Amino acid sequence: GDSVTQMEGPVTLSEEAFLTINCTYTATGYPSLFWYVQYPGEGLQLLLKATKADDKGSNKGFEATYRKETTSFHLEKGSVQVSDSAVYFCALIDPQGAQKLVFGQGTRLTINP
Amino acid sequence: GAGVSQSPRYKVAKRGQDVALRCDPISGHVSLFWYQQALGQGPEFLTYFQNEAQLDKSGLPSDRFFAERPEGSVSTLKIQRTQQEDSAVYLCASSFSDRRSGNTIYFGEGSWLTVV
Repeated sequence: GDSVTQMEGPVTLSEEAFLTINCTYTATGYPSLFWYVQYPGEGLQLLLKATKADDKGSNKGFEATYRKETTSFHLEKGSVQVSDSAVYFCALIDPQGAQKLVFGQGTRLTINP
Repeated sequence: GAGVSQSPRYKVAKRGQDVALRCDPISGHVSLFWYQQALGQGPEFLTYFQNEAQLDKSGLPSDRFFAERPEGSVSTLKIQRTQQEDSAVYLCASSFSDRRSGNTIYFGEGSWLTVV
């Protein structure tokens, strides 16, 4: 079945550092890909998405590019802030399959001032 | 309200007790989902409604779990005879239509269930 694998956490960085959180997927079809973020005490929020190969999703300085050849959707940010501290989830939905998001296990990010 | 609302936010249940978790989706949203999120894990799909029809319940872990959405808006997830392994955050989510990739899925803050 469809699955998502994220890099193990936790990840701790200093403010203004460059961030990469790796995400790879397995799917039988051509999934849409998402990054969700969960801030402390809050619900999951959609951060960005991409629906086809080579699309780049971006929001709040974060970017991720849908790479079909490597089945990846890595999340990047050039200069992180303390307020970016949260848990990040990579997810997919298969438009040809069941109507459900499949999530990775999440990566906890802590940014120190 | 403006977002997906869930209640109760926190529930402590004694093993064997029945619990009911409520979800108010965003007004007008056709699709409604329930997910279970264990500590330190990603959310796992439980069930999906399109209006009042439960189209997919493949993720419900046992017949102790039951979900309904009788009028196509509010939904209730019921867990009978709770067990310790049911302790998790139960997330409700909704989206405007049933188009699978084109619509944003909005999540509530979750109901934290602890079974003691």
